[in-house]
Amino acid sequence: SQTIHQWPATLVQPVGSPLSLECTVEGTSNPNLYWYRQAAGRGLQLLFYSVGIGQISSEVPQNLSASRPQDRQFILSSKKLLLSDSGFYLCAWSFTGSEQFFGPGTRLTVL
Amino acid sequence: GESVGLHLPTLSVQEGDNSIINCAYSNSASDYFIWYKQESGKGPQFIIDIRSNMDKRQGQRVTVLLNKTVKHLSLQIAATQPGDSAVYFCAESFSGTYKYIFGTGTRLKVLA
Repeated sequence: SQTIHQWPATLVQPVGSPLSLECTVEGTSNPNLYWYRQAAGRGLQLLFYSVGIGQISSEVPQNLSASRPQDRQFILSSKKLLLSDSGFYLCAWSFTGSEQFFGPGTRLTVL
Repeated sequence: GESVGLHLPTLSVQEGDNSIINCAYSNSASDYFIWYKQESGKGPQFIIDIRSNMDKRQGQRVTVLLNKTVKHLSLQIAATQPGDSAVYFCAESFSGTYKYIFGTGTRLKVLA
């Protein structure tokens, strides 16, 4: 069966510090991969998606970036965090035209 | 742009009653719809999906209804239980895209 992992589960970072969140998927090949951000009590905002290694589509202009160095690995990064980057970050995978499966999320607090 | 929205931000239901959560979508080209349940501090969990060639689909204690005429989607939960308390999101997608558009969510509170 397929599983999706995210780490860390929680993270507290100072403004201006770098960020690296990792997501890995097991039990499947060639998945579409997604990064979402969710503000407290709000819906899901799509940040990036990837349909293959090295292929990244950005949905929201910001100081975040994403990379997919391997088929089942998706990384969210920032060189300098802003206060507004705080939120709940969710990674997801899917095959085109079917349901998305979400990871457990990373709670990021920028102070 | 296209959006998926919900009529009610919070729904309180007595334990044992049926719950109905509604969702409106604006893109008539959307052909795939999903309901998710999200408990506090966790990632969304898939509940049930439906494609545009269907009007109704049933799962275990849940039913999704799709009305393409008025672009409306609903999730019915039978015999609501305390464990059903969560935020429920609808999402839409359409052929030829890899993206899913999520609504803002409805919080379901089950009263004992």
